[in-house]
Amino acid sequence: AQSVSQHNHHVILSEAASLELGCNYSYGGTVNLFWYVQYPGQHLQLLLKYFSGDPLVKGIKGFEAEFIKSKFSFNLRKPSVQWSDTAEYFCAVNRNNYGQNFVFGPGTRLSVLP
Amino acid sequence: NAGVMQNPRHLVRRRGQEARLRCSPMKGHSHVYWYRQLPEEGLKFMVYLQKENIIDESGMPKERFSAEFPKEGPSILRIQQVVRGDSAAYFCASSPPSSVEQYFGPGTRLTVT
Repeated sequence: AQSVSQHNHHVILSEAASLELGCNYSYGGTVNLFWYVQYPGQHLQLLLKYFSGDPLVKGIKGFEAEFIKSKFSFNLRKPSVQWSDTAEYFCAVNRNNYGQNFVFGPGTRLSVLP
Repeated sequence: NAGVMQNPRHLVRRRGQEARLRCSPMKGHSHVYWYRQLPEEGLKFMVYLQKENIIDESGMPKERFSAEFPKEGPSILRIQQVVRGDSAAYFCASSPPSSVEQYFGPGTRLTVT
């Protein structure tokens, strides 16, 4: 079945560690890609997005993501995490010409230890 | 410029009652989307509406669930005869015309007792 997968259910890091969260999708054709963050008790906020062009995109709060078309991946990275990055991270895919809805991955919970 | 508004933020219903969830999109946004988030799961698309039209309801359960986005007023997600399995967080998102970027509201957490 066509889907969006995120490799890790729960990631635990110490402050200043580097972060990489995996996201893979199984759709062919052109896609738009997003990472959202959900801080505890809050709504989803857009971290970054990819529509076209440079496959390395930079978002807010020091996050970046790289689109690798051949691997159907859009991994999220941050060189040095902070305690305030503790949250749930969702990858989402919108398929061009297949409507407007997003397909979300199951999410990765990140816990950063002070 | 207010973001997407949802109310109520928390809703408790007994089995068999009706639940009405409201969503006011951002100013200038004419597209509304509803998603459901079950515990320990990601968001699942339910329905996509434009003013007075349902564009895509492929994610809506066939029974008991309905949605509308009238010409005036907020979008409403209605769940009739709620069951315990309907307990979830329901998120609304909106986007402007000709854009795929969606802005999310704070969600309504429905608890069915």
